[in-house]
Amino acid sequence: AQSVTQLDSHVSVSEGTPVLLRCNYSSSYSPSLFWYVQHPNKGLQLLLKYTSAATLVKGINGFEAEFKKSETSFHLTKPSAHMSDAAEYFCVVSGAGGGNKLTFGTGTQLKVEL
Amino acid sequence: DAGITQSPRYKITETGRQVTLMCHQTWSHSYMFWYRQDLGHGLRLIYYSAAADITDKGEVPDGYVVSRSKTENFPLTLESATRSQTSVYFCASSPLQGYTDTQYFGPGTRLTVL
Repeated sequence: AQSVTQLDSHVSVSEGTPVLLRCNYSSSYSPSLFWYVQHPNKGLQLLLKYTSAATLVKGINGFEAEFKKSETSFHLTKPSAHMSDAAEYFCVVSGAGGGNKLTFGTGTQLKVEL
Repeated sequence: DAGITQSPRYKITETGRQVTLMCHQTWSHSYMFWYRQDLGHGLRLIYYSAAADITDKGEVPDGYVVSRSKTENFPLTLESATRSQTSVYFCASSPLQGYTDTQYFGPGTRLTVL
């Protein structure tokens, strides 16, 4: 069994300040973890993924995430927010026992203010 | 155009009518998936397919039918639409089965059942 909890449904930051979107996971197997971004009225785009290699994963558009097994977390960060980062972000888990079936978190809406 | 496309992008129908949502991918990916996205639930898997003529149920399959006669197409049919099936539907594809493999998403179909 696997599950994902995104700890904040909404996050608001000012442009130029750091972004932190929090995600905790549960998996019976060695997990792969993904962050996807969804801009308004668009499909989902992969930001980054962890697949048991380096625990610090760098993605597109300056985002990165750190896999912490002891804390079962995979938080998404960015040093400096840009207006174009405003979107919904999904943390997703898949596990070795589940093939490529994905389990999605409920999403975090990121708002970026001037 | 290369990639994964969905049609129609928007659909309004009435309770009891049959509706088919189309999904087409040009990558020759083996795996294809249908998800629905509802507020507070993230994305939930409806059906998936490992290859032509091989399909299986996901988390929320009731009321839906799928087929896959060709690798590139994966239509989703609501045999008798209900209001609870009002949602945004996403199709996705993946080249491999592994749990580390990325799924690539289409732009979505917004379905309203009156």
